[in-house]
Amino acid sequence: AQKVTQAQTEISVVEKEDVTLDCVYETRDTTYYLFWYKQPPSGELVFLIRRNSFDEQNEISGRYSWNFQKSTSSFNFTITASQVVDSAVYFCALSEPISNFGNEKLTFGTGTRLTIIP
Amino acid sequence: DGGITQSPKYLFRKEGQNVTLSCEQNLNHDAMYWYRQDPGQGLRLIYYSQIVNDFQKGDIAEGYSVSREKKESFPLTVTSAQKNPTAFYLCASSLRQGGDTEAFFGQGTRLTVV
Repeated sequence: AQKVTQAQTEISVVEKEDVTLDCVYETRDTTYYLFWYKQPPSGELVFLIRRNSFDEQNEISGRYSWNFQKSTSSFNFTITASQVVDSAVYFCALSEPISNFGNEKLTFGTGTRLTIIP
Repeated sequence: DGGITQSPKYLFRKEGQNVTLSCEQNLNHDAMYWYRQDPGQGLRLIYYSQIVNDFQKGDIAEGYSVSREKKESFPLTVTSAQKNPTAFYLCASSLRQGGDTEAFFGQGTRLTVV
């Protein structure tokens, strides 16, 4: 069975500090996708990034960056110069096949609640 | 604006009642999903649908039912058979089913049994 572990339940940092959210996954598939979603207080999940298992290149988008390491089965997320608007719950997810017909589903971690203190 | 609309935002149910949560999308997506979120837990898949008139059970389908009569609509019924229905329910859609497309989520329905 596939699994996603976000060991950090809650993190608090002072505004402008950098913060890294950890994500470790388990899968037997050679092809898979990893995701990060943000859940602000409004409730909806906001898509942040999708990463193919064959693409280990790190990615940067503004203050956000992602470090994908297949060797350690990790897909960590770093926010640089954090802001109060970054306060949210962040979920890491892994796609997994659930049938022989190409159906896939997302397996989510339990989330990390990030609080940015002004 | 394109997106996913869930209604109502808050829903209260008496024990023994069935309730239906609405999910509508205007993104022309083929695949739609229902997830349940409990405090301190990740999202768990209830049902998913790849195309109209087809749907499949997810990990926790017991006590729930769905229909997919139209591409844009995927309502979820929480039946009286669901023993612990109080939770936050999220509907999502994606262009097609598969990890190479991201899922877009609605704002959720918070269901409380009173």
